[in-house]
Amino acid sequence: DGGITQSPKYLFRKEGQNVTLSCEQNLNHDAMYWYRQDPGQGLRLIYYSQIVNDFQKGDIAEGYSVSREKKESFPLTVTSAQKNPTAFYLCASSMGGRIYEQYFGPGTRLTVT
Amino acid sequence: GEDVEQSLFLSVREGDSSVINCTYTDSSSTYLYWYKQEPGAGLQLLTYIFSNMDMKQDQRLTVLLNKKDKHLSLRIADTQTGDSAIYFCAESDNAGKSTFGDGTTLTVKP
Repeated sequence: DGGITQSPKYLFRKEGQNVTLSCEQNLNHDAMYWYRQDPGQGLRLIYYSQIVNDFQKGDIAEGYSVSREKKESFPLTVTSAQKNPTAFYLCASSMGGRIYEQYFGPGTRLTVT
Repeated sequence: GEDVEQSLFLSVREGDSSVINCTYTDSSSTYLYWYKQEPGAGLQLLTYIFSNMDMKQDQRLTVLLNKKDKHLSLRIADTQTGDSAIYFCAESDNAGKSTFGDGTTLTVKP
């Protein structure tokens, strides 16, 4: 089955620790995205990548970092510099080109205490 | 920057039609989308419309686009309790970057 996987579903960390969220897709999509969702709010774009070894900052990139060494993988690191990291994180991918509909993973709920 | 706005809540009776509205500001939007999110899950693409179209129908879903007013709507016919979810409107520009609205929570009462 083709799709996007995110792991783990729930993640707990202590304040001051970096944490990396996994996102893998086997859809052969060129583009991948990371969003943050807070209660009662829409999605805010953190980073996106249109092609391997290239990525761009989204609207709220501060305190986050990404890498795109493989087409299938787009891990997100939440660093200790992120002031309010507790949120629901969603990864998505799309074919790229002029077809931009996005396919989403199930999300990772990160709680930092 | 680009902005997408939706009303936050809609409540309907089972069997009625639901209409969820959205306005956007980016006149260069190429595609506009409707996504559905169930509790604790990711978003699922429901349908999309290219910006040079004014209507698209897909089974119980009808999308209307008024490009002049930058207004998009999603009509769900014969709404069922399983349609209860959060519905997001989104637009993408020529660079493939999408902007999402805050979502409309649809509640379907039996």
